[in-house]
Order: sequence, then C-alpha cells, then structure tokens
Amino acid sequence: EDKVVQSPLSLVVHEGDTVTLNCSYEVTNFRSLLWYKQEKKAPTFLFMLTSSGIEKKSGRLSSILDKKELFSILNITATQTGDSAVYLCAVDPNDMRFGAGTRLTVKP
Amino acid sequence: DVKVTQSSRYLVKRTGEKVFLECVQDMDHENMFWYRQDPGLGLRLIYFSYDVKMKEKGDIPEGYSVSREKKERFSLILESASTNQTSMYLCASSPPGRILSNSPLHFGNGTRLTVT
Repeated sequence: EDKVVQSPLSLVVHEGDTVTLNCSYEVTNFRSLLWYKQEKKAPTFLFMLTSSGIEKKSGRLSSILDKKELFSILNITATQTGDSAVYLCAVDPNDMRFGAGTRLTVKP
Repeated sequence: DVKVTQSSRYLVKRTGEKVFLECVQDMDHENMFWYRQDPGLGLRLIYFSYDVKMKEKGDIPEGYSVSREKKERFSLILESASTNQTSMYLCASSPPGRILSNSPLHFGNGTRLTVT
C-alpha cells in the first residue's frame, strides 16, 4: 500500500533556528514529490522534486530528494514567525498521496 | 484514522457532459473542500463547505457547482465539462473550527479527470 510519512508531526522553535522536516514514502510508479505550506484555505506550493540529489532552493527554504532511500527533506534556515504553518509532503504516483503534515510553530 | 474517499481515481468524459465527483469522509468533519491541481499551479480552491447545505466559493468556482446534502458527503459538479477542466481534483476535510484555521487538511487520493 502506498504511503507517505512525515516527521516530526509538530515542532516548536524560536526565531533564527534552522529546522529540517522529513518525508519518507513508499509508492509504486513514483513520478514526483511535492512540498506545500498550508497556512489558510489552500496549501501553497513550494517545490516539486523529480530527480535525486538536486537541491531546490527558494530564499531560506531548500529541499532535496533521495530516490534510493525514498525520502526528502525540507530545510528552513533563520526561521521567522511567518514560517509558522503546516508543511505537507505529497507524492504523485498517478494520484496524490499526502503525508499528515508537520505543524511548525516559530516563536518570537 | 481519518479517511477521505473519492469515488473515482480516473475519469474520461466528453466535452459538454455533466460530471459528478463524489467525496466522502468518515470523521464527522464539518469542513470539506474541493481543489484542483495543475502542473506549476499547486492546489487551487474551487469550493468549500463548513456545514450541511452551506457552500462558499473558492478562488476558481467558474464552471463548477457543489452539493452538501449530508455531512459526510461533498459533491463537485461540472455542469458542462470543457477541456480546460482536465485536471487532478482533490477533496479534503478538516476538523471543526475556523474555516481558515491551521488545522491540517485530510486529503483524498484525487481523481484525474480528462475531458476530451
């Protein structure tokens, strides 16, 4: 059975800290892995990863995929209170499989 | 464990057909959502509902309608399907609370709709 597991489920840090969010998966016919940031009504797309070892970067956020070990990490450096959100990992093996999400809280 | 079930994984319909996408959740969630996902655009909200018979337009409601006659079921209707509605459709639900809260969404597995 296809599954996507995110860890930790929740995380509380202080501004300026660096965090690493994890996503492991077991799916057949893997096509891509996506990261979303969910703050309000619609998750915001962050990254789509299809190839191993190529880091995607956007400002303080970066992500990388390991297709051999079947996981991805999302790094956030110098965290800010605006980074507080639920971060969703999704894997697309013909349909969307979402992890449960990691709730990140950044305290001032 | 919350389960959100979408009735079809794949659908192929012709232009002009009326299309029903069904979604059922088993956790008594009050909030339910329909999104579509397109490459490079992420998830976009079509409609959501916070109670039986209640509905609110999302960001892209044109060409769609919804029905929430029972708490566990939220249906998305394409009155007259068009090729630009070819997409992946995702249903989600969330626990009671403010509709814009940070409660995680529980998603279904999606329906890939192709309109030819």
